[in-house]
Amino acid sequence: LAKTTQPISMDSYEGQEVNITCSHNNIATNDYITWYQQFPSQGPRFIIQGYKTKVTNEVASLFIPADRKSSTLSLPRVSLSDTAVYYCLVGGLGFQKLVFGTGTRLLVSP
Amino acid sequence: GAVVSQHPSRVICKSGTSVKIECRSLDFQATTMFWYRQFPKKSLMLMATSNEGSKATYEQGVEKDKFLINHASLTLSTLTVTSAHPEDSSFYICSATGTSGRRNGELFFGEGSRLTVL
Repeated sequence: LAKTTQPISMDSYEGQEVNITCSHNNIATNDYITWYQQFPSQGPRFIIQGYKTKVTNEVASLFIPADRKSSTLSLPRVSLSDTAVYYCLVGGLGFQKLVFGTGTRLLVSP
Repeated sequence: GAVVSQHPSRVICKSGTSVKIECRSLDFQATTMFWYRQFPKKSLMLMATSNEGSKATYEQGVEKDKFLINHASLTLSTLTVTSAHPEDSSFYICSATGTSGRRNGELFFGEGSRLTVL
């Protein structure tokens, strides 16, 4: 199982772009990278998933370099409601035995 | 809307009693379900993996007699905390993946169940 490393916490202000980087040096060929968001007392919520290069959806972008040993979640123009914990996970589709890392606690201030 | 539902969302019980938490996949067949435990301000810790119709596989350090997992159907898995004690108080989260239609291979999380043992 590929282990992930993320910053423990990040601070930002409303309207700013936030980039959270995750390291996964031993990612396997078949592994995908998925980011989840978790609010207090709720289950994790899917944000975005990618395999290589760049993926964009209505809420975020995911940048993955060619060596795939890291990935960066980009949240454009964050709001107070984006205050949450963000987890980066690595695994094959079907996600057998996903293991969560520490996650990044993002605090967005006015 | 939610595709994986947990019930109850909150439960308070007395020490020594058993508590059952249900995890249901609402619009797909969940061949595999996972149970996690989360302490305040900590990450999710995988407890066990259950496949429909077979015994659950527990992670190291998780007592299988303490945390009974049943996955008798493709839409329901249950976690029973037996003889609960205050140290079992935690947030329990299930997730499910299946092989049906557009849900194939995707992983979905339930809303979580907060257990408080007095």
